[in-house]
Amino acid sequence: DSGVTQTPKHLITATGQRVTLRCSPRSGDLSVYWYQQSLDQGLQFLIQYYNGEERAKGNILERFSAQQFPDLHSELNLSSLELGDSALYFCASSAHPSPTDTQYFGPGTRLTVL
Amino acid sequence: GENVEQHPSTLSVQEGDSAVIKCTYSDSASNYFPWYKQELGKRPQLIIDIRSNVGEKKDQRIAVTLNKTAKHFSLHITETQPEDSAVYFCAANRNSNTGKLIFGQGTTLQVKP
Repeated sequence: DSGVTQTPKHLITATGQRVTLRCSPRSGDLSVYWYQQSLDQGLQFLIQYYNGEERAKGNILERFSAQQFPDLHSELNLSSLELGDSALYFCASSAHPSPTDTQYFGPGTRLTVL
Repeated sequence: GENVEQHPSTLSVQEGDSAVIKCTYSDSASNYFPWYKQELGKRPQLIIDIRSNVGEKKDQRIAVTLNKTAKHFSLHITETQPEDSAVYFCAANRNSNTGKLIFGQGTTLQVKP
């Protein structure tokens, strides 16, 4: 067990709705990353936070937002959901934001948009 | 641009044979190359990584080689076992002040008993 936790495990919702995914990093890790994994797109980097501040942004849609709280847990908010947003959403954490720091993944949240 | 190409997309080997997966990256500034194994419905798990100051790294049956000039790196699994069956992803970082990883499309490895 890598120590990264994510809730919920599964989420089923309808188009147009808004959901929040939660992630707690490994103890001691200050940096959190969000990735989206869909069948046709593979693992896509969305966003990175370090010690509460946004550090890097990938191909994250404007309908998506994230934040990292003082206790270092992070939330990914997805709004105006579309069918194409159905995917596995992984959170990962590392000790520091260094480009060479190992990233440990959480178990993921499977989002299904109907 | 930033891109990581991974080949093959599927690989089937007999138990005991070797498996090789290759990746090519586009950003010459990349200096960190991890490999992740993902079993069906599970999280990606780091199996080995290499930094650009070395050309090869080995951990029991798994090894990774890096050719910075050609901008490619490879995963070698020897004496494959059925439990090695999974999807393998390579990745490369962007050498900036972030940990952004660019992943390859994945290789589905099947080890036949």
